[in-house]
Amino acid sequence: NAGVMQNPRHLVRRRGQEARLRCSPMKGHSHVYWYRQLPEEGLKFMVYLQKENIIDESGMPKERFSAEFPKEGPSILRIQQVVRGDSAAYFCASSPRSTSYNEQFFGPGTRLTVL
Amino acid sequence: QKEVEQNSGPLSVPEGAIASLNCTYSDRGSQSFFWYRQYSGKSPELIMSIYSNGDKEDGRFTAQLNKASQYVSLLIRDSQPSDSATYLCAVANSGYALNFGKGTSLLVTP
Repeated sequence: NAGVMQNPRHLVRRRGQEARLRCSPMKGHSHVYWYRQLPEEGLKFMVYLQKENIIDESGMPKERFSAEFPKEGPSILRIQQVVRGDSAAYFCASSPRSTSYNEQFFGPGTRLTVL
Repeated sequence: QKEVEQNSGPLSVPEGAIASLNCTYSDRGSQSFFWYRQYSGKSPELIMSIYSNGDKEDGRFTAQLNKASQYVSLLIRDSQPSDSATYLCAVANSGYALNFGKGTSLLVTP
């Protein structure tokens, strides 16, 4: 199965720790998107990446959050000094192209809990 | 701010009936429209995409788009209890970021 893969599926961190979320796109897809779903909220776009490039990070908080998609390996969403408000489901999606007609396919998500 | 609005529900329909889910959007420049299904605790699953006015059918699902009125709908024929989920409407304009509604909860009762 060449679907989008994310790990870990569940992550528990204490306030002030760092969280690293990983995403491998579907085979043949080179475009990765990260979304966040807060409890009782809709999915919100965070960042769009291609290999070695951040194309759009307009939805990502300015502080503590960063993302990368290296030439080799998965895309990583990094949250430094986590706070309780960061508790959410983080979903990665991938697509083969970057036009608005692209269909994005989601991974299983990482559920982050901050204690 | 670009909005995508959905009735939160729950929408309750009996098994075998047609479920009708609606979505309105504010950005007239929107070009692509998607319906995702999300079961509780799971990730969104793409059901339908539609790009031009009219109807698009895929099995028991029909997506309808009316750009002049800025709405998109999803019809589910012969609804089954397994269709019980939250249905998310997503809209994209000339870019690539999907703008999601908060979803409509559908309950299909046996």
